[in-house]
Parts: sequence; structure tokens; C-alpha cells
Amino acid sequence: ETGVTQSPTHLIKTRGQQVTLRCSSQSGHNTVSWYQQALGQGPQFIFQYYREEENGRGNFPPRFSGLQFPNYSSELNVNALELDDSALYLCASSGRDRGTGELFFGEGSRLTVL
Amino acid sequence: AQSVSQHNHHVILSEAASLELGCNYSYGGTVNLFWYVQYPGQHLQLLLKYFSGDPLVKGIKGFEAEFIKSKFSFNLRKPSVQWSDTAEYFCAVNARNNYQLIWGAGTKLIIKP
Repeated sequence: ETGVTQSPTHLIKTRGQQVTLRCSSQSGHNTVSWYQQALGQGPQFIFQYYREEENGRGNFPPRFSGLQFPNYSSELNVNALELDDSALYLCASSGRDRGTGELFFGEGSRLTVL
Repeated sequence: AQSVSQHNHHVILSEAASLELGCNYSYGGTVNLFWYVQYPGQHLQLLLKYFSGDPLVKGIKGFEAEFIKSKFSFNLRKPSVQWSDTAEYFCAVNARNNYQLIWGAGTKLIIKP
């Protein structure tokens, strides 16, 4: 048990819709990263939030956006959903040392876009 | 661009067999290296990590990995696997002081009892 919780665990949307995924980080962690894991692939970095600011971004379009709140929980928003957005979305939290890469993962939100 | 390659997508072994999972990365600078594991129905969790020092690192559950800088490799090993090692294993890399982890595609390991 990592203490990182994500909601919802599963959801189904249609093309063009918008989705919000939520993540509560482990106690004491101020950094949250989001990853997309398509079927049969490793996770792909979407972005990271540190102290409520976006701290870096992977190769994802602007319709992927996020927020981090004062309690360090986070949201991932995806607008104008496309079929290829179907994936497992993973949230990971980490402590003060942002560069270590030691991440604590939630169980993910599985998004299906029809 | 950085990339991570895991040589085998699926590995099937019998209990007590020895295990070696390959991982190679492409990046010219100093890196941190990780192996994560995902047991069936569970979240990803850290198995072991290498930041610096002794290139042979030991992790949980009897796993170890060796960093060979000249080969850009970080292979995972276990001398004798158990049925409970059935899981998916991911190798990941980040450049030193860079938060962005680059992941391999994963290796699904099945241990036959």
C-alpha cells in the first residue's frame, strides 16, 4: 500500500468528451507525476507538478492539462478525447528530492474512449 | 532522445530456475536506473535502484541488478525464482537531476509451479 489513491478506477467516455482524473499523494510528498500507460507499453511521462506548479512536461498536446492543490493532491484533465487516449493513467508521488525518480504509484485510472 | 529497451516481452520459467532480464538504455550522460515490478492486480512498486557507487545493487525479494556503463545495461537477476515472482517487470532511467523517467515496454514473467 503506497498511500497514493486515484479516482475513478475505471471510466468510459466517447470521443470529443472531457475527463478529469484525481490523485491524492502520499502523506509528506509534495511532487506528483502523471503517466499514461497504453496496453503492452511502459508508462509515458505526461507532466509533473511540484508545489502547485507544472515542473516539466512530456510529449503530450495541450489538451492534457493538470492542477496541483495546496494539499498536494492533483488532477489530470483531458479535453477533446480521442480513441488513442484509451489507456491506464498512473499518478505517482515523490518527496522533496525531485530528481531521484523514486516514485510511489497509485493503482491507476483506466480510461476507455469509444 | 533517451530510450530504454527491454529485450524480452514474455519470459516463462520453472520454479528454481535462474532469471536474467535484459535492459539497455540510450543516453550519454549520468543516469539513475530503476527496476519496478507490478504484481497481478497491484500497483507498480520499486524493486531496486542505482544512483552511484557499487554497480551491483541488491533489491527486495532476492533480486539484484548490475550496471555496466560500457554496455549501457542494467540487467535484473535472481538466482532462483519462485511462483510468487510472476509479475511484469519494468526498467526505467532518468538523467541525473531530471525528474522524467523513461520506461521500457516491460517484461511479463510467468513462473510455472
